[in-house]
Amino acid sequence: KAGVTQTPRYLIKTRGQQVTLSCSPISGHRSVSWYQQTPGQGLQFLFEYFSETQRNKGNFPGRFSGRQFSNSRSEMNVSTLELGDSALYLCASSVSTRMGEQYFGPGTRLTVT
Amino acid sequence: AQKVTQAQTEISVVEKEDVTLDCVYETRDTTYYLFWYKQPPSGELVFLIRRNSFDEQNEISGRYSWNFQKSTSSFNFTITASQVVDSAVYFCALNRDDKIIFGKGTRLHILP
Repeated sequence: KAGVTQTPRYLIKTRGQQVTLSCSPISGHRSVSWYQQTPGQGLQFLFEYFSETQRNKGNFPGRFSGRQFSNSRSEMNVSTLELGDSALYLCASSVSTRMGEQYFGPGTRLTVT
Repeated sequence: AQKVTQAQTEISVVEKEDVTLDCVYETRDTTYYLFWYKQPPSGELVFLIRRNSFDEQNEISGRYSWNFQKSTSSFNFTITASQVVDSAVYFCALNRDDKIIFGKGTRLHILP
């Protein structure tokens, strides 16, 4: 079974721009969660989608948004990028809605200049 | 408030030594789940174990073992006979009502 894939793996953007990251979960997994990982804040939960609906959201500004498609693939969008958005963005999928026993992708390294 | 503390920021041990990674959590809930994840240099988090709050039985999986003690709110992870491939950052996490909180992680160096 193929693992969780994320594209692109690396991205460089300029302040003020917007970015879209993509995540394809493991086949059969319906829950997709997104995390931001930075050296200072560690791993922080962004949001979780299940069956195209956002089920949970972390404490991030509205510039961070996401969506999930009928095939469970998910996208995350960050608008009006700030320097502090530079981070590793990780996507994780799981079979059920319960976040926990998740399988993570390799992440997208976003650098904002 | 829910919180996960991994007091050990970084640990270095020589190969074949045993090492224990500490995890202390805070929650007022009676039903919750605890996890350990490994993040090797490649960056991809790898699920290691999930334990629910009603199961305090210790678990062993090969060289890995976990000690869950509700009385001290701890869920410690021990690697026996460590190997260089065990070098990674290890995260402890707490999940309740679909909200997951990670500790800051412990960076483990296994020296050859």
